[in-house]
Amino acid sequence: DTAVSQTPKYLVTQMGNDKSIKCEQNLGHDTMYWYKQDSKKFLKIMFSYNNKELIINETVPNRFSPKSPDKAHLNLHINSLELGDSAVYFCASSRGQMGTEAFFGQGTRLTVV
Amino acid sequence: GNSVTQMEGPVTLSEEAFLTINCTYTATGYPSLFWYVQYPGEGLQLLLKATKADDKGSNKGFEATYRKETTSFHLEKGSVQVSDSAVYFCALSDRWNQGGKLIFGQGTELSVKP
Repeated sequence: DTAVSQTPKYLVTQMGNDKSIKCEQNLGHDTMYWYKQDSKKFLKIMFSYNNKELIINETVPNRFSPKSPDKAHLNLHINSLELGDSAVYFCASSRGQMGTEAFFGQGTRLTVV
Repeated sequence: GNSVTQMEGPVTLSEEAFLTINCTYTATGYPSLFWYVQYPGEGLQLLLKATKADDKGSNKGFEATYRKETTSFHLEKGSVQVSDSAVYFCALSDRWNQGGKLIFGQGTELSVKP
């Protein structure tokens, strides 16, 4: 059983399109995250949700809109895709307390052409 | 603001060599510190962690000690294997941040040759 699963694993799309990435966790965690990994492998948090409520938004363009229908799911919708959005996007979950482990999904490699 | 700095890679070692990957941090509070590992094509997995000064985290032969006086959390392994080839990330979670978000270093790629 995969703890944090995200789909799709690969996504190739044209500039200007709108796309979504889905994430689900079966760990019973209250907190979920989206991280972006750039081409140099650098990881940066984008959003954090706790019990369906947004608690962190790290100055991400408003073309990116996370949605949490319930605490086990956190989806990422991206409007008007740009070349610079090409990256690997990781979903993660944790108990949301400092010092607790975050569990990561396998990542979604987004390529905008 | 809070930050994490790791030694630059790639690091290339022969099998059974000793590994050190340096990590230093800047934080306003008393952070928890982590090492995560990313194998090719996969997500990140927790390797080890330490939540307070002088704690030593260890797992799979890897160790790191939380040194408050030098604000460091260096990763070590006595004898690396080819299967240890991966990208290693040092990270912190600060008490004053909400929701346990992680701040990562830039990652260090390790390549172990037989």
